[in-house]
Amino acid sequence: GENVEQHPSTLSVQEGDSAVIKCTYSDSASNYFPWYKQELGKGPQLIIDIRSNVGEKKDQRIAVTLNKTAKHFSLHITETQPEDSAVYFCAPLRGGANNLFFGTGTRLTVIP
Amino acid sequence: DTGVSQNPRHKITKRGQNVTFRCDPISEHNRLYWYRQTLGQGPEFLTYFQNEAQLEKSRLLSDRFSAERPKGSFSTLEIQRTEQGDSAMYLCASTLAGGSTYEQYFGPGTRLTVT
Repeated sequence: GENVEQHPSTLSVQEGDSAVIKCTYSDSASNYFPWYKQELGKGPQLIIDIRSNVGEKKDQRIAVTLNKTAKHFSLHITETQPEDSAVYFCAPLRGGANNLFFGTGTRLTVIP
Repeated sequence: DTGVSQNPRHKITKRGQNVTFRCDPISEHNRLYWYRQTLGQGPEFLTYFQNEAQLEKSRLLSDRFSAERPKGSFSTLEIQRTEQGDSAMYLCASTLAGGSTYEQYFGPGTRLTVT
């Protein structure tokens, strides 16, 4: 089965600094790479995603980069704000599969 | 609010009792998923429906678990003879299969505590 690892497991940054979370996956057939944000007491919510034919995608302060050869993709958050504090999950999707396989999560704390 | 609702939000039950959870997806979504999330872990896939058909079940879904989506709209997840190991957050998600995105919209979850 799919093996998905995230690093780091916890991350603390000062407000305004950047944060980078890396996701490594094992299934070379994966072709969809989303990042979900989960706040306390809520379900995960998609914040950005990328498909395998694209190397990078940006949406305001958030970006995702993909290295399919090395089988990893990363979440980049710039100019962090306290409301970015949450747990972030990567969840690569294998081509032909129908369910997301979530990583172990990264708890991001933005210190005001 | 994603538009996916789950009830109840919290359930405390004694070991051996049966429990049932309900999920109401976004109305036009034809695909509905159930996930389980334990403390400090990511959600784990349990099962999914395409309309009313249950198309895939994880090996995590023991025979004490049963899910239905009778009319292709809301879904229920029942756990029979609950065990302490069933304590977790049960998440429901929905999506429109064949649409332009793979995005799954998650509900707030039902937190189950088995005492």
